[in-house]
Amino acid sequence: GAVVSQHPSWVICKSGTSVKIECRSLDFQATTMFWYRQFPKQSLMLMATSNEGSKATYEQGVEKDKFLINHASLTLSTLTVTSAHPEDSSFYICSGAGYSYEQYFGPGTRLTVT
Amino acid sequence: KQEVTQIPAALSVPEGENLVLNCSFTDSAIYNLQWFRQDPGKGLTSLLLIQSSQREQTSGRLNASLDKSSGRSTLYIAASQPGDSATYLCAVREVGDDKIIFGKGTRLHILP
Repeated sequence: GAVVSQHPSWVICKSGTSVKIECRSLDFQATTMFWYRQFPKQSLMLMATSNEGSKATYEQGVEKDKFLINHASLTLSTLTVTSAHPEDSSFYICSGAGYSYEQYFGPGTRLTVT
Repeated sequence: KQEVTQIPAALSVPEGENLVLNCSFTDSAIYNLQWFRQDPGKGLTSLLLIQSSQREQTSGRLNASLDKSSGRSTLYIAASQPGDSATYLCAVREVGDDKIIFGKGTRLHILP
């Protein structure tokens, strides 16, 4: 099956700093990429949807200026958490969908903001 | 608004038993339903995907059923093993939408 990777797998950063998470589709072209967030003991919640070359569409309640998403190529999307705060600590998972529209999920990135 | 509910939230069963996990969704206009496994601190592993036109899918000891009209799906695990311990997530994709909506999951613990 199609493979999606994320980097880093975990990151610790200080409050007020920014951190970038990469999501790559390794063996297919992801025309659409999705970013999810999962708080402890909660389910995954969609944060935003991005189509290659277009601005991301954010879900209600997700601050677009805080969570910057770039999908500049068919194999790479990045999520930058700007001015991170402890409440942003979470597990972030991306998925990519190609022309078949089926989503393939990355392994996730655990962000801890101290 | 589509909502996905999973019952129970947590389940502990002795090794070797068969078990059923339940998932319900409020809007039957779905494109497909998928069951995932998530180990602690890890990403998602897709277990079974059922298209809206299908009634069930099987993979090894796993069998997933779908009753779209009643908004229900079940994941049946036969002859449970300690390695089956994980959180199982049910997710639906609605017709005409790329979004996947997840349930909160069932935390399964298989007792050796």
